[in-house]
Amino acid sequence: DAKTTQPTSMDCAEGRAANLPCNHSTISGNEYVYWYRQIHSQGPQYIIHGLKNNETNEMASLIITEDRKSSTLILPHATLRDTAVYYCIVRVAMTGANNLFFGTGTRLTVIP
Amino acid sequence: GAVVSQHPSRVICKSGTSVKIECRSLDFQATTMFWYRQFPKKSLMLMATSNEGSKATYEQGVEKDKFLINHASLTLSTLTVTSAHPEDSSFYICSARDLLGADEQFFGPGTRLTVL
Repeated sequence: DAKTTQPTSMDCAEGRAANLPCNHSTISGNEYVYWYRQIHSQGPQYIIHGLKNNETNEMASLIITEDRKSSTLILPHATLRDTAVYYCIVRVAMTGANNLFFGTGTRLTVIP
Repeated sequence: GAVVSQHPSRVICKSGTSVKIECRSLDFQATTMFWYRQFPKKSLMLMATSNEGSKATYEQGVEKDKFLINHASLTLSTLTVTSAHPEDSSFYICSARDLLGADEQFFGPGTRLTVL
């Protein structure tokens, strides 16, 4: 069951910010928003996660709307190595179960 | 830290043979490991959850007798594809949950299986 909606694909010019949107209008109060990415023929890589506050780390920033129904992953200065499929996942943390369900994601292509 | 390895990274086998894929957590202990399968241009699909010292839990539609999972230690889980057929050709990915850390999953690099 799809709990998130993402655009199928996006392009971004190298050096520019890449803004990847995600809709999660049915998110529950105890569900976090997680972002992973998968570079071609590799395993998924964790990027960032948040509950309601905006988050930033060395890879990206995560902006969550006040109503938590949508979020945006921002790669501030996209490089060619950021070309990948980006997955937005909502999940309850610390449940002991596997609740990482990957949807179709957004295929980001960084253009030179 | 939090590195997960898989071996082999790529394997080609004949139809009818069995293939074993290893998943190791290199610098942490994992009570739980997960096995995913990914077909070309498709998303990851969870196959089974592997708990150390107990039987694996398989997702609906995944044959437990065909995909044998063993999780004998806190750092190693194996997936054996028995009597492989061309339709089993896929990208197999494992992930491991850190026993002592936060509730995060760390993914291996994947194993590409091609059955001729």
